Amino acid sequence: DAKTTQPPSMDCAEGRAANLPCNHSTISGNEYVYWYRQIHSQGPQYIIHGLKNNETNEMASLIITEDRKSSTLILPHATLRDTAVYYCIVRVSQAAGNKLTFGGGTRVLVKP
Amino acid sequence: ETGVTQSPTHLIKTRGQQVTLRCSSQSGHNTVSWYQQALGQGPQFIFQYYREEENGRGNFPPRFSGLQFPNYSSELNVNALELDDSALYLCASSPQVAGTSGELFFGEGSRLTVL
Repeated sequence: DAKTTQPPSMDCAEGRAANLPCNHSTISGNEYVYWYRQIHSQGPQYIIHGLKNNETNEMASLIITEDRKSSTLILPHATLRDTAVYYCIVRVSQAAGNKLTFGGGTRVLVKP
Repeated sequence: ETGVTQSPTHLIKTRGQQVTLRCSSQSGHNTVSWYQQALGQGPQFIFQYYREEENGRGNFPPRFSGLQFPNYSSELNVNALELDDSALYLCASSPQVAGTSGELFFGEGSRLTVL
């Protein structure tokens, strides 16, 4: 699986959009970009994933650059409950089974 | 709530002992995987079970072993505990082997402390 690079931490104001960047310059054509988050003392939670098109669900939006070498997770209106560590993961969807390679993630602190 | 339950939530063992951690997967999920998360780090894949057989393993020694039962619940066994085994152990389930969604459902983990 391709390696990802994320900033170690970032702060965000409550009610504002949080934009979380991720670099995955060695991504292969059949690798998807996944985002999970882990709130303190809980297991990781799936947020969203995509291959090359932008994706949106009730939690977030995922913007993938045209060359697929980077992506941005957008939390449109951050709340205090969004404080968590966010992990960007690239993975071949079916062949990798349930193996996710987590990096260090970005620790996001949402402030009032 | 993901429907994945783990037990015990916390436990303390001493070096050299053995431990068994348990996981009940979400209803309808036949694939279970286990992860180890040391303090301040991301989770690391240990192995996964599908139809009661191990079918993928990370970089962990053989003293880490597991079982999956006909009802798809699972156990993680660690023998000859070492101090570095102190970690949060996470179980994740999915319908079949993740498939195209890649979405795993994690439990809240079992925190093991080895003294």
